[in-house]
Amino acid sequence: GAVVSQHPSRVICKSGTSVKIECRSLDFQATTMFWYRQFPKQSLMLMATSNEGSKATYEQGVEKDKFLINHASLTLSTLTVTSAHPEDSSFYICSASTSGSFVETQYFGPGTRLLVL
Amino acid sequence: AQSVTQLDSQVPVFEEAPVELRCNYSSSVSVYLFWYVQYPNQGLQLLLKYLSGSTLVKGINGFEAEFNKSQTSFHLRKPSVHISDTAEYFCAVNLITQGGSEKLVFGKGTKLTVNP
Repeated sequence: GAVVSQHPSRVICKSGTSVKIECRSLDFQATTMFWYRQFPKQSLMLMATSNEGSKATYEQGVEKDKFLINHASLTLSTLTVTSAHPEDSSFYICSASTSGSFVETQYFGPGTRLLVL
Repeated sequence: AQSVTQLDSQVPVFEEAPVELRCNYSSSVSVYLFWYVQYPNQGLQLLLKYLSGSTLVKGINGFEAEFNKSQTSFHLRKPSVHISDTAEYFCAVNLITQGGSEKLVFGKGTKLTVNP
């Protein structure tokens, strides 16, 4: 099946620094990539949807200036948490799809655990 | 607005026993329904999905789910579980926004623990 990777798998950073998380589709071209956030014992919450070559669409309540998303190619999307604070500590998961429609399956990455000290 | 409720946060069961993980959704429009499994330290993997047609959907690893429109449910079942089925299971429904885009709305997950 299709494989999506994320890097890094785990990152610890100091408060005020920025962290970049990469999401790659390894064996298919992802027209659409999704970024989720998962708190302990909570469901995944969609943060934003990005289509290759265009600006990301953010969900209500998600600060676009804090969570910068770039989808520059059909195999790579990045999420940058700018000026991270302890409340940004969470599990960030990306998924990729060959289209934006859910008739097509979304393939999920293994997630990146961010801890902000 | 669409929402998903997974009634059980944890389900312990013995190996080779049957299991049912419950999922109810609320929606006023047609839906697509999904079950995902998340093994420790791994990403979500699609178990099965209902788009249309037969209400009984068969997925990977011996799992199946039945779409019940009148009860707005999409319960996941397996007749005989293995130790390796221990994982977190998420039910999800698609949501079509006013702008025409789609997104998945997830339940809070059910932790299935299979004991020997």
